[in-house]
Amino acid sequence: KNEVEQSPQNLTAQEGEFITINCSYSVGISALHWLQQHPGGGIVSLFMLSSGKKKHGRLIATINIQEKHSSLHITASHPRDSAVYICAAKVYYGGSQGNLIFGKGTKLSVKP
Amino acid sequence: DGGITQSPKYLFRKEGQNVTLSCEQNLNHDAMYWYRQDPGQGLRLIYYSQIVNDFQKGDIAEGYSVSREKKESFPLTVTSAQKNPTAFYLCASSSLQGSYEQYFGPGTRLTVT
Repeated sequence: KNEVEQSPQNLTAQEGEFITINCSYSVGISALHWLQQHPGGGIVSLFMLSSGKKKHGRLIATINIQEKHSSLHITASHPRDSAVYICAAKVYYGGSQGNLIFGKGTKLSVKP
Repeated sequence: DGGITQSPKYLFRKEGQNVTLSCEQNLNHDAMYWYRQDPGQGLRLIYYSQIVNDFQKGDIAEGYSVSREKKESFPLTVTSAQKNPTAFYLCASSSLQGSYEQYFGPGTRLTVT
């Protein structure tokens, strides 16, 4: 079983729809990243959170530490939101702080 | 602008050749990381470094080597011993204070034939 699981793997939505991507993890973490990867491959960090909820524009990320679960929500989705969304758990690895364990990603396609 | 640069964006090599991927950052970050991404899989850690002249193996270090002679630079060499070198390679860096948030480069797509 992977230590970080995302669902769904693929998601197609119509423009304007509310989107939820889920991430569950089985390891102890100090924080959770949500990342966005566009077709060109570069990765942008959207959020890093260790508790509660964060909001940036139309994006909202929540985390429930007790349930080991996080969600990324996109309100009023737009075709430019089409990308792969990756969650990554920040763990202690070999004594190093800051190392990440990644989910496999959710490929989102928003149709106009 | 501060950031991480990787070059080249696309790289083609013949099997049996070593190849070095460049990663430079001007964020004054102490830690740097190399990840590999394959289709349908999450990113996997190859090597990381927290300080100049020191680095540690990640989950899939076999067939790779790195150096950290300068704080700004963390080149990755894909050696001929790497059985499946064709992949997308991402470099990242982070501070070792505060949030430890990682910042990613644009990646290098390596194709070995």
